[in-house]
Amino acid sequence: AQKITQTQPGMFVQEKEAVTLDCTYDTSDQSYGLFWYKQPSSGEMIFLIYQGSYDEQNATEGRYSLNFQKARKSANLVISASQLGDSAMYFCAMREEQGGSEKLVFGKGTKLTVNP
Amino acid sequence: GAVVSQHPSRVICKSGTSVKIECRSLDFQATTMFWYRQFPKQSLMLMATSNEGSKATYEQGVEKDKFLINHASLTLSTLTVTSAHPEDSSFYICSASFLRRGFNEQFFGPGTRLTVL
Repeated sequence: AQKITQTQPGMFVQEKEAVTLDCTYDTSDQSYGLFWYKQPSSGEMIFLIYQGSYDEQNATEGRYSLNFQKARKSANLVISASQLGDSAMYFCAMREEQGGSEKLVFGKGTKLTVNP
Repeated sequence: GAVVSQHPSRVICKSGTSVKIECRSLDFQATTMFWYRQFPKQSLMLMATSNEGSKATYEQGVEKDKFLINHASLTLSTLTVTSAHPEDSSFYICSASFLRRGFNEQFFGPGTRLTVL
């Protein structure tokens, strides 16, 4: 079963508008963490934002905020005031412990296109 | 801080040859290094996890003899694709981790695009 689900293969948004990218996760651990990464066409993975399972407040980093709803097991990324440079693939990932080591499990990603 | 480099960024090789990819943590000592593979329009798939001085732990379905990992120091790990074939063509990304925010946070390299002719 998928541990990270991103249901939107592609999303379009007008420049300067806000957009929400969906992510739901599945875990039985009490302690876990959720990440969002941006991957432009160059391929590098750019860290955007992190939310720990015990963090009481939603994480924010500049124009990025994470809408964390623990009971629903969702961790949606909100990008405010979209810019053309935001066009990229976006991956949601969860930190989990397996066999004594910590690993990241990635969703399938959402391709965001920002239109002028 | 927390910069990870990979070399080369791109490599094209003939079928049957071996290719070595280096991953270095430039400004920190990594507790663990990870190797991922990404096919076009797909997500990152973890191939293996390695700790300095010990054998790598491979994910299910990843051939150990095909993808040799050497973690020589706390700042260097190498992935060698042996006897490469066209189906090995992919984007390979490494990450290095150290303890931060109460867990071993991973920092990613820029990736290596391998094309096997």
